[in-house]
Amino acid sequence: AQSVTQLDSQVPVFEEAPVELRCNYSSSVSVYLFWYVQYPNQGLQLLLKYLSGSTLVKGINGFEAEFNKSQTSFHLRKPSVHISDTAEYFCAVSDREAGGTSYGKLTFGQGTILTVHP
Amino acid sequence: GAVVSQHPSRVICKSGTSVKIECRSLDFQATTMFWYRQFPKQSLMLMATSNEGSKATYEQGVEKDKFLINHASLTLSTLTVTSAHPEDSSFYICSARRGGGSEAFFGQGTRLTVV
Repeated sequence: AQSVTQLDSQVPVFEEAPVELRCNYSSSVSVYLFWYVQYPNQGLQLLLKYLSGSTLVKGINGFEAEFNKSQTSFHLRKPSVHISDTAEYFCAVSDREAGGTSYGKLTFGQGTILTVHP
Repeated sequence: GAVVSQHPSRVICKSGTSVKIECRSLDFQATTMFWYRQFPKQSLMLMATSNEGSKATYEQGVEKDKFLINHASLTLSTLTVTSAHPEDSSFYICSARRGGGSEAFFGQGTRLTVV
C-alpha cells in the first residue's frame, strides 16, 4: 500500500518570493513520483516527474523537485513565484513495477493550495 | 502527443437518471485507463482501473453496479453513473496510460451535478 502526505494544506506567498511545497510518501515498493497542478474546474497538468537518474528534477513553469530516498520526500520548489502560479498542487506516487495491473495507478496527496499575493 | 479528451466537461442531470462520461485517448492507444473522483476541496480518489477488453477493477468501497465502466477499445473508456443521486455530484477525471509507458495522462474532467 502507498500513501502520500502533503504537509501544508495552504501556502500563501508574495509574488517573486520563493516557495516550497512539501510531500512525503510511504510505500512497500519502488515508486515513481509526480507533481501535478490543477487550476479551478480543470483537470490535472503534469509539472514534473521522477522516474530514475538525477534526484533533482526540473519541470515546467520554473518548478523543480528533489527526490530524497532516505527521507522519502519529494518537495516541490520554485525560486520566484508569479500570480499565475496560484492553483492547487498535488503530489502523487505510482508503482514502478512494470507489468502489474496497478501500473500507472496514482495515489494522490491531499493537495496544497498555493496562493500568490501581489 | 498524449492527449486525453473527456466529454462532457459539465453535466446536470435529474436524480434517478443515468449519465455517461467518455474518455478518449486521441493520439495513442491506451491499454489502461483510470477513473478518479474528486469531491470539493478534497484530493482525487481512484475509483477503478480498466484494461482494454477486460472487466474493470474497482477500488474498495466503490459500487461497481452503480459506476459502470466499459473499455471496449484502445482509445475509449466510458463511465456510466446509474441512478444518480445528489451525493454522486462530483468532479470525475479519467487518465490513460499507453502500453509500456510509465505515465498516465489526464483528461480535463467532468463536473457532474445531480439535482
